[in-house]
Amino acid sequence: GAVVSQHPSRVICKSGTSVKIECRSLDFQATTMFWYRQFPKQSLMLMATSNEGSKATYEQGVEKDKFLINHASLTLSTLTVTSAHPEDSSFYICSAQQGKGAGELFFGEGSRLTVL
Amino acid sequence: KQEVTQIPAALSVPEGENLVLNCSFTDSAIYNLQWFRQDPGKGLTSLLLIQSSQREQTSGRLNASLDKSSGRSTLYIAASQPGDSATYLCAVEGSGTYKYIFGTGTRLKVLA
Repeated sequence: GAVVSQHPSRVICKSGTSVKIECRSLDFQATTMFWYRQFPKQSLMLMATSNEGSKATYEQGVEKDKFLINHASLTLSTLTVTSAHPEDSSFYICSAQQGKGAGELFFGEGSRLTVL
Repeated sequence: KQEVTQIPAALSVPEGENLVLNCSFTDSAIYNLQWFRQDPGKGLTSLLLIQSSQREQTSGRLNASLDKSSGRSTLYIAASQPGDSATYLCAVEGSGTYKYIFGTGTRLKVLA
């Protein structure tokens, strides 16, 4: 299957700082990438959908100014958690798809964010 | 709004048993349904993808079926092994939204 790489896998930061998480599709062009958030022992919650070259579409209740998503190329999407607070601590996972309705979804390894 | 539910939430079985995990969804207008495996603290590994026009898919000891009209899918695991222990998630891609919505997951433990 296709490979999606996510970096960093773990990050610890102080409250008030910003953190950037990268998601790369290594062997295919991902026109669509999704960002999910997962709380302990819970399922994945879709945060936003990003399409290359256009603004991300955020799910209801997700603050777009808090979670900045950029999909500048067909192989890279970034999620920046701005002015992070302890309640932003979570497991963030990206996934990539070759296009809308294009079938299989491939996931990165996830990034564990801890805000002190 | 699509809602995806998985039953049971947790399952513990002895090694060698055949088992069935269930996934139900409220909106049958889907493109695809995908089953994933997640190990603790890790990302998701794709197991099987079933397109809306298909009834089932098989990979090794895994078989997934889809009944779109009734909003159900099952994942059958044959001859379970301790290495199968993980959380299993199903997700459906809405035909209008193109978004994958995840189920609540089934935590499986296979005892040696």
